[in-house]
Amino acid sequence: GENVEQHPSTLSVQEGDSAVIKCTYSDSASNYFPWYKQELGKRPQLIIDIRSNVGEKKDQRIAVTLNKTAKHFSLHITETQPEDSAVYFCAASRPNAGGTSYGKLTFGQGTILTVHP
Amino acid sequence: SAVISQKPSRDICQRGTSLTIQCQVDSQVTMMFWYRQQPGQSLTLIATANQGSEATYESGFVIDKFPISRPNLTFSTLTVSNMSPEDSSIYLCSVVPLAGRYTQYFGPGTRLTVL
Repeated sequence: GENVEQHPSTLSVQEGDSAVIKCTYSDSASNYFPWYKQELGKRPQLIIDIRSNVGEKKDQRIAVTLNKTAKHFSLHITETQPEDSAVYFCAASRPNAGGTSYGKLTFGQGTILTVHP
Repeated sequence: SAVISQKPSRDICQRGTSLTIQCQVDSQVTMMFWYRQQPGQSLTLIATANQGSEATYESGFVIDKFPISRPNLTFSTLTVSNMSPEDSSIYLCSVVPLAGRYTQYFGPGTRLTVL
């Protein structure tokens, strides 16, 4: 089955700096890669996702890059703010048997991001 | 995105008892899943809830321990049976809405403590 490795496990930055979190996956058939942000006591919230037909996607201060050949993808947060402090999870998924939808997510271990004012 | 609710939001249970968790969505969805998140850990998939048929369980999870129902496109239940303290965890349902073929959204979770 799929295995997703995420690094680093903790990341501490100063407000305004950039933060980068990296993930690798093992299943070459995976082609959907979402990132979730989970604040303490809250549910995981989707912040950005990428499909394998593109190499990069950006949404304001957040961007995700994908290297299918190397089987790794990364989350980039620029101009970090204290409210970015949370646990971030990467995940990978492959299409279901009929190719009409994506199925189960395999998650990385999570990164605790702390942004110091 | 879909509005997802879970009941109960939290519970404290005695060893050996069972708890049924409900997941309700405000719109029809294609896929529903149940995950477990142990304290300070990542999310682990328990099973895929299939409408009108038996759930598909991941390695390490069995139907006798985690029976799942999904009678329609908007509702599912997960039962945690014969509980032990090791079952203390957050249980989350997630859904893939009909409108989005791949975006998966999570319910608020059920925090279970087993004494």
